Amino acid sequence: TQLLEQSPQFLSIQEGENLTVYCNSSSVFSSLQWYRQEPGEGPVLLVTVVTGGEVKKLKRLTFQFGDARKDSSLHITAAQPGDTGLYLCAGPPSNAGNMLTFGGGTRLMVKP
Amino acid sequence: GAGVSQSPRYKVAKRGQDVALRCDPISGHVSLFWYQQALGQGPEFLTYFQNEAQLDKSGLPSDRFFAERPEGSVSTLKIQRTQQEDSAVYLCASSLIRTGAETQYFGPGTRLLVL
Repeated sequence: TQLLEQSPQFLSIQEGENLTVYCNSSSVFSSLQWYRQEPGEGPVLLVTVVTGGEVKKLKRLTFQFGDARKDSSLHITAAQPGDTGLYLCAGPPSNAGNMLTFGGGTRLMVKP
Repeated sequence: GAGVSQSPRYKVAKRGQDVALRCDPISGHVSLFWYQQALGQGPEFLTYFQNEAQLDKSGLPSDRFFAERPEGSVSTLKIQRTQQEDSAVYLCASSLIRTGAETQYFGPGTRLLVL
């Protein structure tokens, strides 16, 4: 059982549609990070959320951290083919110091 | 500027062979992490170094896995007597300091295929 559960696992949409990806846990996290990973590359950090209830925007991407700091969501408005990739949430478990635990990822495909 | 680099990018090994994977972190980064990413999954933590000290190796799946960072910069992950279940992408990441929320910068990974 993964500490961070992401849903959906796969998402295929048309260009211009909106979508939301969820990251849920039964544990409290001091912070959560969202990464995007393209084939053959390592994950690249998009955002870090730290405060419960926090909302951060990055162009067409909106990230939210749950009030209880157990869940997070990523909303993409008017998706574009360039948004295609694997989206990963990750965070430092409370007892694990510096390492990150990752969710299983959401594989997004945006068709032109 | 230079990011995290890893070599080789691809490695095919016969079952039972030993392999060594190299990671060059960003210059000056104190912390170095190794993760294993199976096909279609998120990365899973293997081990963590702060300078040359290996502070956490709880994620190493067996005693066939060994990592070192002798001078606090370059790190090598060695897998002895490889098995088919070792096939995965091995990611290295580095961060400037040692707090939990510090940004980790990932390399492109080494894709290992054990036949």
